[in-house]
Amino acid sequence: GENVEQHPSTLSVQEGDSAVIKCTYSDSASNYFPWYKQELGKGPQLIIDIRSNVGEKKDQRIAVTLNKTAKHFSLHITETQPEDSAVYFCAAPQGGADGLTFGKGTHLIIQP
Amino acid sequence: DAGVIQSPRHEVTEMGQEVTLRCKPISGHDYLFWYRQTMMRGLELLIYFNNNVPIDDSGMPEDRFSAKMPNASFSTLKIQPSEPRDSAVYFCASTGHRQGTEAFFGQGTRLTVV
Repeated sequence: GENVEQHPSTLSVQEGDSAVIKCTYSDSASNYFPWYKQELGKGPQLIIDIRSNVGEKKDQRIAVTLNKTAKHFSLHITETQPEDSAVYFCAAPQGGADGLTFGKGTHLIIQP
Repeated sequence: DAGVIQSPRHEVTEMGQEVTLRCKPISGHDYLFWYRQTMMRGLELLIYFNNNVPIDDSGMPEDRFSAKMPNASFSTLKIQPSEPRDSAVYFCASTGHRQGTEAFFGQGTRLTVV
């Protein structure tokens, strides 16, 4: 099955700076890579995703890059704001099944 | 749509008791997933259904866990008997299609077994 590794586990950045979270996956057949944001007391919510036929996707301050050869993908958040503080999860399809395998999460802290 | 609805939000029970968690997926979604979240293991897929039929339950930790989906708008996850190590947040999620589409999560049920 799929194995997803996520780093770092905690990331603290100054408000206005950029944040980068990295993930690697093991199954070369994986073709869909979503990122979820989880706020305290809530369920994860999709913020951006990328498919294997593109190398980068942007949505305002958020971007995701994918390197299929190296089997890693990254989340980039620019001009960070206090409301970006949350736990972020990367994910990949769980082998041949329809569920997702999640990374262990990154606790992003935006320092004022 | 109100999104995925889970109940209860919090459940505290004594070891050995039966616990039933409930989920109402988004109307029209064909797939329903149950995940468990703990600090040690993160988010783990327990079981998922397609058109009310269980497809993969390989993530269910033990025979004490069972899940049903009697119709398109309701699913349950049951633990009998419950144990302290079952304490976790249990999430239900639904999607309209197979891999490659957004999974919508409920607010979760925080289960504490004492």
